[in-house]
Amino acid sequence: DAGVTQSPTHLIKTRGQQVTLRCSPISGHKSVSWYQQVLGQGPQFIFQYYEKEERGRGNFPDRFSARQFPNYSSELNVNALLLGDSALYLCASSQDQGSQHFGDGTRLSIL
Amino acid sequence: AQSVTQPDIHITVSEGASLELRCNYSYGATPYLFWYVQSPGQGLQLLLKYFSGDTLVQGIKGFEAEFKRSQSSFNLRKPSVHWSDAAEYFCAVGAGDYKLSFGAGTTVTVRA
Repeated sequence: DAGVTQSPTHLIKTRGQQVTLRCSPISGHKSVSWYQQVLGQGPQFIFQYYEKEERGRGNFPDRFSARQFPNYSSELNVNALLLGDSALYLCASSQDQGSQHFGDGTRLSIL
Repeated sequence: AQSVTQPDIHITVSEGASLELRCNYSYGATPYLFWYVQSPGQGLQLLLKYFSGDTLVQGIKGFEAEFKRSQSSFNLRKPSVHWSDAAEYFCAVGAGDYKLSFGAGTTVTVRA
């Protein structure tokens, strides 16, 4: 079975631009979570979606938004990019109350 | 609020020697605890998890962890490390699959 897939793998943007990151969960998993991992730190929770509804949000500004589609894939959008948004963005999927399984992430660099 | 502390930023161990990584957590209820490993440029791989029951948990790649409620700890161990165990290790706490909080990670270097 395919694991969690994320696209693109790498992305370079400039300050003020907008970006969309994509995630396809493991087949059968209905929950998708997004994390931001800044270099040298552990992942920080951004969002979780379950059955297309937002289940939780971390301490991130409104520039960050997400959605989940009927096939359970998800997009993370970040507007008005700042230098500090440079990070590895990780997507994880899970079955209800199960363990989270992570993709390899999207490396976002802001110039 | 939930949080995780990994006191050791970097550990160097000889191949074949034992390894122990420390994890202390803060959580208001019965915690769900996890250890993940991350190789450079890759995502996180689940090593093991504790939800309930036996406090000594066995995981993949020969790792085990022990949950000690009185010490709020969930330390990871491996009896004999291999060069391929060089990576970054993260401890995490949460309510099942919801809103995991991660520690800052411990980088493990394995010397020949």
